[in-house]
Amino acid sequence: DAMVIQNPRYQVTQFGKPVTLSCSQTLNHNVMYWYQQKSSQAPKLLFHYYDKDFNNEADTPDNFQSRRPNTSFCFLDIRSPGLGDAAMYLCATSTSDKNYEQYFGPGTRLTVT
Amino acid sequence: GQNIDQPTEMTATEGAIVQINCTYQTSGFNGLFWYQQHAGEAPTFLSYNVLDGLEEKGRFSSFLSRSKGYSYLLLKELQMKDSASYLCAVRDRNYKLSFGAGTTVTVRA
Repeated sequence: DAMVIQNPRYQVTQFGKPVTLSCSQTLNHNVMYWYQQKSSQAPKLLFHYYDKDFNNEADTPDNFQSRRPNTSFCFLDIRSPGLGDAAMYLCATSTSDKNYEQYFGPGTRLTVT
Repeated sequence: GQNIDQPTEMTATEGAIVQINCTYQTSGFNGLFWYQQHAGEAPTFLSYNVLDGLEEKGRFSSFLSRSKGYSYLLLKELQMKDSASYLCAVRDRNYKLSFGAGTTVTVRA
């Protein structure tokens, strides 16, 4: 089945230790998104790629970076995680063929110790 | 930007009907989505409205009034598995989604 895959599902990192979360998709969608969702809060868009074009949200901290080496993969790098970065990180994809409806991966739950 | 408001929690009995309201203020409306999110899982798509009126999909229906900045999600014949958070999300002209904080629905036997 075509899908959005996130690895790992659970990630524990230490305060200040860089961490990378990965997302892959078999949908061949040209748009990929990263969201941060803290407990009982709305998902918050961090950035998205439209094809290779990177679009950063104005209030996304510099601590968060992203890479998209090809259509299928997208990475979220947190350079120096703080305790406040503990959250669920959701990857989503969309395409104009499906009216940009967003398909979400299962998420990676990040814990910072 | 978007301001999206929805109730925090709702409780209903199995087999009943529940209506979750969502109001929004937007600078460039381009569609409204409802997602279901079980605890610890990703949101899953439920419905999409871009024109005024009611969209029906089995036990779930969604209504939109663009002039009022208002939508609701109607869940009929509630089942225990419907206990989840329901997220209202508004899309802008750049195809970006802004989510509400979600309404946690608890279905009781």
